[in-house]
Amino acid sequence: EAGVAQSPRYKIIEKRQSVAFWCNPISGHATLYWYQQILGQGPKLLIQFQNNGVVDDSQLPKDRFSAERLKGVDSTLKIQPAKLEDSAVYLCASSRTGQETQYFGPGTRLLVL
Amino acid sequence: AQSVSQHNHHVILSEAASLELGCNYSYGGTVNLFWYVQYPGQHLQLLLKYFSGDPLVKGIKGFEAEFIKSKFSFNLRKPSVQWSDTAEYFCAVRGSSNTGKLIFGQGTTLQVKP
Repeated sequence: EAGVAQSPRYKIIEKRQSVAFWCNPISGHATLYWYQQILGQGPKLLIQFQNNGVVDDSQLPKDRFSAERLKGVDSTLKIQPAKLEDSAVYLCASSRTGQETQYFGPGTRLLVL
Repeated sequence: AQSVSQHNHHVILSEAASLELGCNYSYGGTVNLFWYVQYPGQHLQLLLKYFSGDPLVKGIKGFEAEFIKSKFSFNLRKPSVQWSDTAEYFCAVRGSSNTGKLIFGQGTTLQVKP
């Protein structure tokens, strides 16, 4: 079974630029999560989708972050404009339902200069 | 507020030593508990989980964890570590009735010396 795929793996941008990350979950997984992991901290949930609907986006900085999951499969997370404090690893995870085990992708490491 | 605290940020052990990593959580309600591991250069993987039943759960690679409800703890143990256990370990909690959001601790880096 293929795991969660993410791209790109690394991204370096200047502050105030925009950036987008892509995630392809495990086939058949209805629930998709985006987490932000700042160096030295554990992952923090940004947004959770159930199929193509948002379940929880309470910790998403909506003035600069946006995410979508059109067709309930792939998802993109966008930051516009980026700030220095957005430097982190962005992890995508998926699960069959919100109550089952979450499987994580390799992450995208973002550096904002 | 819901939170997870891991007591040790960095642990260094010699091979064959015993391991115990502490994890305490703050959550008002029934919980599901997890330990995830991230080996160097790899993604987060589930080590073990507790949903209900026997509070002593066994995971992969000889790891186990014990849920002590009265102490709000879910400590990870392994009787004899190997060099290949060098990794970062994360404890996480989820409300058993909520939508799926995991709350993670800050992680413990384990370095095993050969």
